Amino acid sequence: EDQVTQSPEALRLQEGESSSLNCSYTVSGLRGLFWYRQDPGKGPEFLFTLYSAGEEKEKERLKATLTKKESFLHITAPKPEDSATYLCAVHSNGGATNKLIFGTGTLLAVQP
Amino acid sequence: NAGVMQNPRHLVRRRGQEARLRCSPMKGHSHVYWYRQLPEEGLKFMVYLQKENIIDESGMPKERFSAEFPKEGPSILRIQQVVRGDSAAYFCASSPSAAAGGDGYTFGSGTRLTVV
Repeated sequence: EDQVTQSPEALRLQEGESSSLNCSYTVSGLRGLFWYRQDPGKGPEFLFTLYSAGEEKEKERLKATLTKKESFLHITAPKPEDSATYLCAVHSNGGATNKLIFGTGTLLAVQP
Repeated sequence: NAGVMQNPRHLVRRRGQEARLRCSPMKGHSHVYWYRQLPEEGLKFMVYLQKENIIDESGMPKERFSAEFPKEGPSILRIQQVVRGDSAAYFCASSPSAAAGGDGYTFGSGTRLTVV
């Protein structure tokens, strides 16, 4: 069964303190791995798509990387406005069409 | 572009009542997906629809839940005879083509259903 596990569940950082969030996945065949940001009371907001091991994507203070078993979301010198829940999701070859399988997220709090 | 519109934002129903959740996709999007987010759990896929067709309902509970996406108007997720366990945030996403994830797969802000 396809599965996505995110760690840690929660992370508290000081402003400027860099860190990484982990997303481990088990799928029958990876068609894409996605990172989303979710603010309280809002829907997920797309950040990155990664398709193959070794791929990296960057946007401002965020950088996503992918291996055959996991993905990392690196946050460099975070600011308080980066506080949110970060969700990882996969689209796999197995099972049904076009559905995303989500992890439970990492709640990030960046303190000034 | 108003994005994916869901309404109502908050819905309170008594046990045994019906809940109707509406989702208007982005302009030009003909593919709609419904997800449910239970407290302390990740988003779970429920159903994927195109105009007038259910493509995949593998995540939908077999009883009390139904979804439609008519030729005209929003997609509707209907929950009959609600129970406390149905309390959750329900999110809709839309896309312009058959694709999963990515920047064309846009989520709405959700409907928070509370069953009392």
